[in-house]
Parts: sequence; structure tokens; C-alpha cells
Amino acid sequence: NAGVMQNPRHLVRRRGQEARLRCSPMKGHSHVYWYRQLPEEGLKFMVYLQKENIIDESGMPKERFSAEFPKEGPSILRIQQVVRGDSAAYFCASSPNVYNEQFFGPGTRLTVL
Amino acid sequence: EDQVTQSPEALRLQEGESSSLNCSYTVSGLRGLFWYRQDPGKGPEFLFTLYSAGEEKEKERLKATLTKKESFLHITAPKPEDSATYLCAVQVGDYKLSFGAGTTVTVRA
Repeated sequence: NAGVMQNPRHLVRRRGQEARLRCSPMKGHSHVYWYRQLPEEGLKFMVYLQKENIIDESGMPKERFSAEFPKEGPSILRIQQVVRGDSAAYFCASSPNVYNEQFFGPGTRLTVL
Repeated sequence: EDQVTQSPEALRLQEGESSSLNCSYTVSGLRGLFWYRQDPGKGPEFLFTLYSAGEEKEKERLKATLTKKESFLHITAPKPEDSATYLCAVQVGDYKLSFGAGTTVTVRA
């Protein structure tokens, strides 16, 4: 049973470019969560999605960030016009329902030059 | 605001030297407390879920306990492969996890 998959594992962007991070949840999991881990800081919740729905995006910056989880395909976290402060590790987690443990992927490490 | 504090920040142990990590929390309406292990450059790996005060869970050399205000992760006779950052997270409401900053454990042979 494959775990949560994320790609790319490492992403380098220049300031002003767009970053697209992809997450495929574990088989049978329909709940996806995105977290961000800034250097020397703990994991912070960003957004919670179910298929085709954003349930809670309270942790996501209002500008430049968006997320989706389409009916087919992976969940996408999109960051437009990246700035150096966006450099961080972005983790996706999934669960079969909201009451279960969240299982994390290996993360995407974004570096903004 | 929900607060999760882990101590110590770092812990250096000799192989076989048992110790405990602390996770204290200030939340309203705790649904569950989770322990994860994170190795450098990897994602958090799920270890335990605790739901109510007095609950205990064990896995190999690790044992997690929960009181109304804190949780402990006991490492018994650790081995070098137990070296990692251990993360504590609380779930308030249905899904959101609030993480502590973690305790980095280094076990020397």
C-alpha cells in the first residue's frame, strides 16, 4: 500500500515565478491537508480539502496561495509570484476520515532564489 | 489560542539511557493528541494517538502517556536508530493539528 506521494521533492524557483506542488493521498483516503514547515519553526496547518471542496483554508495566506483537490488527479498547492519568504518544506497529509490519524508525505522543499 | 510546548528542545542520550520527552498543551476541547517521528529531510511518521487522560500506548521502545495537561513520550533503552525529532500535535475540533516545535533526540552508541 503506497503511502502519501508528493512531487516534486525539491523545487527551485526565482522570485516572481509560480510553484505547483502535487500530492497524491493514500489509497482510500479522501481527506487531504497541507502544512508548511518554515526553517526553525513547527508545522503549521494551511488548508483542508475533500474531493472538489475546500473545507478550511484558514491557515493559508490570503494572497498568492491557492489549493485544489479535483475529482480526478492529485491535490495541488499553487503559489503565485513566489517570494523568498515562501521558502519552506510543504507537507501533505491524508486520512480516510476526519477522525483518523493523518499520514504525511515526504514533503516538497521549495527554495526561492 | 491553542498552545503546544515541547521540552526539552534537544536531548542527547547514551545508548541504553532511558529518558522522557514532555508535551504540555493549553487547548479547549482536545479531541486527540498525536506523536510523530521525523527524520531529517523526511515527512512526519505517525507513532501514537491518545484520546483521554490516563491512556497509554506502547510501540517497541516507545511509550506514550496522557494527562489532562501534558503527554510524555518515554524512550526505554534507546538505540542509535531512535535518533530523530519527535513531534507532538493536538487535534482541536475535527481535523486541524497544532504542532509543537519538537524535541530532537540524539542517541550515541
